[in-house]
Amino acid sequence: SYVLTQPPSVSVAPGETARIPCGGNNIGSESVHWYQKRPGRAPVLVIYYDTDRPSGIPERFSGSNSGNTATLIISRVEAGDEADYYCQVWDKTTDHPGCVFGTGTKVTVL
Amino acid sequence: QLVQSGTEVKKPGASVKVSCKASDYTFTSYGLSWVRQAPGQGLEWMGWISVYDGYTSYAQKFQDRVTMSTDTSTSTAYMELRGLRSDDTAVYYCAREGRALSFFDYWGQGTPVIVSS
Repeated sequence: SYVLTQPPSVSVAPGETARIPCGGNNIGSESVHWYQKRPGRAPVLVIYYDTDRPSGIPERFSGSNSGNTATLIISRVEAGDEADYYCQVWDKTTDHPGCVFGTGTKVTVL
Repeated sequence: QLVQSGTEVKKPGASVKVSCKASDYTFTSYGLSWVRQAPGQGLEWMGWISVYDGYTSYAQKFQDRVTMSTDTSTSTAYMELRGLRSDDTAVYYCAREGRALSFFDYWGQGTPVIVSS
């Protein structure tokens, strides 16, 4: 099955830029979606189809996807961005499509 | 909006059935997935149901133990997990597909399921 690999943690100072990679075999040919997950709260979609931003999500959130790595970028990081972030794709490589989540990255704002 | 049923406490070997009531959209126009998160763990997809025709696709890990269903008359989806084990202790979420086999744009608030003897 398809595997998505993320670093366990990323630390960033307020006002700086956080880059969260999501590695997968030829992930650039897939559509990647990103979720923010805070403790005790349901996940929130922050980026869909690699680069699109749902209404209500700040422009500080953006995404890219090429080759074997997709990246969630959080510009001008704020304390409120501290959360776990997960990438997600649909594995359509078999006749039994399934959803795959990345391993998750905890973003810590210093 | 997706509103889920409340906390469940079950003994090992029992079954649990979690509900997810949808509102403010046409229930049959979107698929629903179920996702869980065990304590200290990441998000884990369990399976998907097409509300339109009831077609289901389950993750291999849960294939033998899970049943997903819907009641279109009440706009409610259900996820039943049988043969509960302690490692099934988790928060269970329903999530609406924004488009077929794509992203999840709306999530339920989560239902904690605790499996303990």
